[in-house]
Amino acid sequence: DSGVTQTPKHLITATGQRVTLRCSPRSGDLSVYWYQQSLDQGLQFLIHYYNGEERAKGNILERFSAQQFPDLHSELNLSSLELGDSALYFCASSVGGLAGNEQFFGPGTRLTVL
Amino acid sequence: AQSVTQLDSHVSVSEGTPVLLRCNYSSSYSPSLFWYVQHPNKGLQLLLKYTSAATLVKGINGFEAEFKKSETSFHLTKPSAHMSDAAEYFCVVGPNAGGFKTIFGAGTRLFVKA
Repeated sequence: DSGVTQTPKHLITATGQRVTLRCSPRSGDLSVYWYQQSLDQGLQFLIHYYNGEERAKGNILERFSAQQFPDLHSELNLSSLELGDSALYFCASSVGGLAGNEQFFGPGTRLTVL
Repeated sequence: AQSVTQLDSHVSVSEGTPVLLRCNYSSSYSPSLFWYVQHPNKGLQLLLKYTSAATLVKGINGFEAEFKKSETSFHLTKPSAHMSDAAEYFCVVGPNAGGFKTIFGAGTRLFVKA
């Protein structure tokens, strides 16, 4: 158990809908990272927040947005969902936000878009 | 810019024989490098990390990796494979002072035959 929690574990929804994925980092960790894992794209970095501020953006679509709240939990919002958004979404956390910080991964949220 | 290439998508070894998973990286800055393992239907777990200290890094479960700057490589090795090592392995370039994006390799699936 990494100490990172993600809810829900599974999510099934329809095209065009909007969903929110939630992540609670390990106690004391200030950074939260979001990743998307799919068969055709592999593991893609989406976005990184450090202590409430956006630190880096990766391959995140404009239909997706995220934020980190004062209590350091984070939410990833996915809107206007398409079939291709079906994937495993991981959240990770680390103590800091720079080089050398080990990231601890949550168990993931499996999103299925029908 | 940073990038990471895992040279083999699949590696198959017999139990008790050595494991070699190859990774080359590209980084404009002194990189932070990691190997993570993902067992089926599980999250990712850190095996080991390199952060500019010793070039030979020892990790969990008998794995180690050697940072070779001249070859821009960070290959993962284990002297003797165990059935429980069968999983997907990811080489990762972590965020650094030049940019804050985490980049995952495409992954190498390790098969271990009895």
